[in-house]
This record gives sequence, C-alpha cells and structure tokens, in this order.
Amino acid sequence: DIQMTQSPSSLSASVGDRVTITCRASQSISRYFNWYQQKPGKAPKLLIYAASNLQSGVPSRFSGSGSGTDFTLTISSLQPEDYATYYCQQSYRTPFTFGPGTKVDI
Amino acid sequence: QVHLVESGGGVVQPGGSLRLSCAASGFTFSHFGMHWVRQAPGKGLEWVAFVRYDGSNEYYADSVKGRFTISRDNSKNTLSLQMTSLRAEDTAVFYCARDLRVGGYTLDHWGQGTLVTVSS
Repeated sequence: DIQMTQSPSSLSASVGDRVTITCRASQSISRYFNWYQQKPGKAPKLLIYAASNLQSGVPSRFSGSGSGTDFTLTISSLQPEDYATYYCQQSYRTPFTFGPGTKVDI
Repeated sequence: QVHLVESGGGVVQPGGSLRLSCAASGFTFSHFGMHWVRQAPGKGLEWVAFVRYDGSNEYYADSVKGRFTISRDNSKNTLSLQMTSLRAEDTAVFYCARDLRVGGYTLDHWGQGTLVTVSS
C-alpha cells in the first residue's frame, strides 16, 4: 500500500497568515493527488485535485503543488473559515489512502 | 446540484450485519464511479470501497475485504454497502462520495455520513 504522511500534524496560525502543509507519498504517484478540508461534524470537501487544480467554488487563496512523492498545500492568507483539518489523498492506486490530517487552528 | 444522502446506520452487535444506502440526485448517477469512506470517532479518513459507474469492477480496503460488499442500482440511483461480520473497529461515520473521473480516483462530492456503532 502507498503510505501518506503529512506535516505538521497541527499548527496554530492567525488570520492573514500564509500557511503551508506538506504531504509525502511512500512511492511516486505522479500527480494523482488531492487535498480535502474537513470542519468538525461535517463531511470532507475537495479543495485541490490532480495536485494543483482548484476545485470549482474553492477560493483562489488555496493552491497546490508538487508531483512524484512530495506535495504542498498553501493558503496564501488564512481566513476565519479556513480553520479546519486538511487531509491529503493519493488517487493513483488502490487502496486510495489518506494522510493522517493537519489540524489548523488559532 | 449533486446530493448524496446516506442511511442505514445504527447500533449492531459484533458479528452482526448492516446494509448502508446512499441515495444520489442532481447528476447522472450511472456515469460516475462511487466510493465509501469511513471515519472512526476522533480519527482520520479511511477509504473503504469503490465501484465503477457500471458496477463492473469493485475495489476494497484490506480491512474490509471479504466482509463488505459495495454495489449499485443505477435504475434507482442508489449505492449500497453490505457489511457483515462487523467488529468494534468498524465503528465509524460512513460517507458515500462521487468519483470525479479526473486525476485518478478523486472524491468530489460527499454525503453527510451515517454512523455505524458496533457494540454489545
């Protein structure tokens, strides 16, 4: 199975901060990689697909980059509604594993 | 718009069975692959199963292989997950999700989830 690791596991940031979350796959997955946001008690929401494509309706302050094994999610200017847990996921090979999550709070 | 509604969750004893359903609307269900993903209380996301748009192929996580069966009825716009030999570690919120059909296996719309509790 392809293992996904994320760092950091949690971070504290202020409104307006630039936030970067990284994810690493245990083997190359090309750009078959996605980012999701989950708020407490809610279903996950797709933010970025195929490593760098912004899902429809997602604010442009979110961006993704990377390929192969190393990927990054950047929030250019953190907003109050961005406080959530962020998960990465490889969509290359079954089982389609998720990372353990990064919790972003104040 | 895309709408996915799960049902069928509840409390079941270890070793028991349960069938989850996901009613889909707002899109042509028969054109999209579908997933089940679960989340144990306070834990992260675990992908469970996928079925192709036409039901011709299924994939499972090792943790549920042989115990869970994913299926779909395209005439009723419904996705199902039959769960047998349930264990305490299967306790989770189960989400159904649509596959984006781009970038591999990407989950672009999710239901609100249904809670399954395995306990005696």
